[in-house]
Amino acid sequence: QVQLQESGPGLVRPSDTLSLSCSVSSYSITNGHYWAWVRQPPGKGLEWIGSITHGGDTYYNSSLTTRVTMSTDASQNQFSLRLSSVTDADTAIYYCARGGGAYTPFSIWGQGTMVTVSS
Amino acid sequence: IRMTQSPSSLSASIGDRVTITCRASEAFYNHLAWYQQKPGKAPKLLIYEASTLQSGVPSRFTGSGSGTDFTLTISSLQSEDSATYYCQQYYAYPLTFGGGTRVEIK
Repeated sequence: QVQLQESGPGLVRPSDTLSLSCSVSSYSITNGHYWAWVRQPPGKGLEWIGSITHGGDTYYNSSLTTRVTMSTDASQNQFSLRLSSVTDADTAIYYCARGGGAYTPFSIWGQGTMVTVSS
Repeated sequence: IRMTQSPSSLSASIGDRVTITCRASEAFYNHLAWYQQKPGKAPKLLIYEASTLQSGVPSRFTGSGSGTDFTLTISSLQSEDSATYYCQQYYAYPLTFGGGTRVEIK
């Protein structure tokens, strides 16, 4: 079965860049689907960050678009998130998911990784 | 598209029928999903296209609605249904979620 696993630093300093990767198993990301990042601040709701297609087309939340970059790495079968100039408002659990295209729900989720922004 | 869920929380007994409502700020065609999230876990897709049950999800969960008003119903609440439920529209970017409904067992 398809599984997603996030990885990356759990602590990022203010003004630095947050970098996370999502490894996909039992499915090649080049075969299709959208791939997405969703975050959840502690005790709060879900926020879509952005999505990327298997072909590399990207769609970002307008509230984050100036700071977000997503990419894919077919050789590693993973996709990545970079969020620049972080503040404590970016402290959250970050989930990667399959889906997130127009007309495509988030059907499979990673377990999530907690990222804290603090000096 | 802004998604507004109600209530924000509820408490019900085992066997009760539970209804959660999600209202969109503008109408769209059925590209609505419902997710269940338990503490410390990732969200899980329950229903998509407003009323299609995801594989493996118990049939006591049903979704309905169209346009701007959507509903998630649990026909007979079970202890394992204690969770927070989110609606989400995937009709247009930016993709947006409702604020969540926390369901507790009395």
